[in-house]
Amino acid sequence: AQSVTQPDIHITVSEGASLELRCNYSYGATPYLFWYVQSPGQGLQLLLKYFSGDTLVQGIKGFEAEFKRSQSSFNLRKPSVHWSDAAEYFCAVANTGGFKTIFGAGTRLFVKA
Amino acid sequence: DAGITQSPRHKVTETGTPVTLRCHQTENHRYMYWYRQDPGHGLRLIHYSYGVKDTDKGEVSDGYSVSRSKTEDFLLTLESATSSQTSVYFCAIRKTGQGNSGELFFGEGSRLTVL
Repeated sequence: AQSVTQPDIHITVSEGASLELRCNYSYGATPYLFWYVQSPGQGLQLLLKYFSGDTLVQGIKGFEAEFKRSQSSFNLRKPSVHWSDAAEYFCAVANTGGFKTIFGAGTRLFVKA
Repeated sequence: DAGITQSPRHKVTETGTPVTLRCHQTENHRYMYWYRQDPGHGLRLIHYSYGVKDTDKGEVSDGYSVSRSKTEDFLLTLESATSSQTSVYFCAIRKTGQGNSGELFFGEGSRLTVL
């Protein structure tokens, strides 16, 4: 069975600063990896995904993530954070074939002026 | 918009009463999911379905049952609600086919309070 760890419960960054959110997963085979974002009172929206190919993937809103198999990580990055990026971010891993997805506990991002 | 509708969106009930949440989709996708979201736990998979009458348990299935008698509807039932089941429940679908690689599309959530 797969599992996901997001070590940071919350992170605060200044507007314009860079951002990195950490995600570690456990899965015995090649995982499907995802980052989702949730604004307050909303459902989840997909930011980006990885299932094969280039290990650096680009997503929406200027986000990117890098799959590192040796470290079992899939960290999310953004070079310059905007106030509208304040939200909760979830890393998720699906089994091969992608039909069963498990989520991490989430990291809440605060952006200060 | 993935055409997912959850009902009810908000419900307050008492301990010991049965509760059914409904997820309806308009696009005939095979895979449907129920998650619950709680602070500090993220989203946890309750049950999922991979076709009509085909369902399986997730991480936190105790106290919950599901049914899928039609492709478009996936029902989550709490036979006897407890306060620990106070949560926000999200339904999701997985689109398949070209260009879709396992990502989920979520409904707007159903907030359940058990007193």
